[in-house]
Amino acid sequence: GQSLEQPSEVTAVEGAIVQINCTYQTSGFYGLSWYQQHDGGAPTFLSYNGLDGLEETGRFSSFLSRSDSYGYLLLQELQMKDSASYFCAVRDSNYQLIWGAGTKLIIKP
Amino acid sequence: EPEVTQTPSHQVTQMGQEVILRCVPISNHLYFYWYRQILGQKVEFLVSFYNNEISEKSEIFDDQFSVERPDGSNFTLKIRSTKLEDSAMYFCASEEGGNTEAFFGQGTRLTVV
Repeated sequence: GQSLEQPSEVTAVEGAIVQINCTYQTSGFYGLSWYQQHDGGAPTFLSYNGLDGLEETGRFSSFLSRSDSYGYLLLQELQMKDSASYFCAVRDSNYQLIWGAGTKLIIKP
Repeated sequence: EPEVTQTPSHQVTQMGQEVILRCVPISNHLYFYWYRQILGQKVEFLVSFYNNEISEKSEIFDDQFSVERPDGSNFTLKIRSTKLEDSAMYFCASEEGGNTEAFFGQGTRLTVV
């Protein structure tokens, strides 16, 4: 079956750096995406990795290693507004997004 | 900025009733999706739609579900006979291409009582 594994919850301090890992096992792979979802809100796109390496977008970076079926999202200079759930999602051989269960990021002052 | 819009934001229905959830995707997008998210759980793929037909559907998308694009702008999800376990947030999403960023609507919270 297809599966994505990510931690259920991560806690960090405002201003710090946090890394959310994601490992995947899917039928086909056309890229790893990250989405942010605030409570009661819709998922919003953060980043996409189609090839190995690091992609940087402001305070957020995402990394992919296809040989390890692994990626991570790195959030720097954490702000209270970054408190949300973060989902990794893999596009499989049918180009469908298969989602992880989400990581709840708790930020403490 | 273009956005995906969904109506209604909240729908309460009695078990066994039919519901129609509506979505207006971004106008130049070609791929449309419905996802479901039970409270506190992960987002689950239901169905994708391209070129006026279903391209993929999940095991969740059984005979009780159907999708339509009745005109050039709306994209609807119909649940024929709702069950208690259909209670969830339903998200519509659209993409410009088949492997690009997915834009999500704000969702319809369906409560079946």
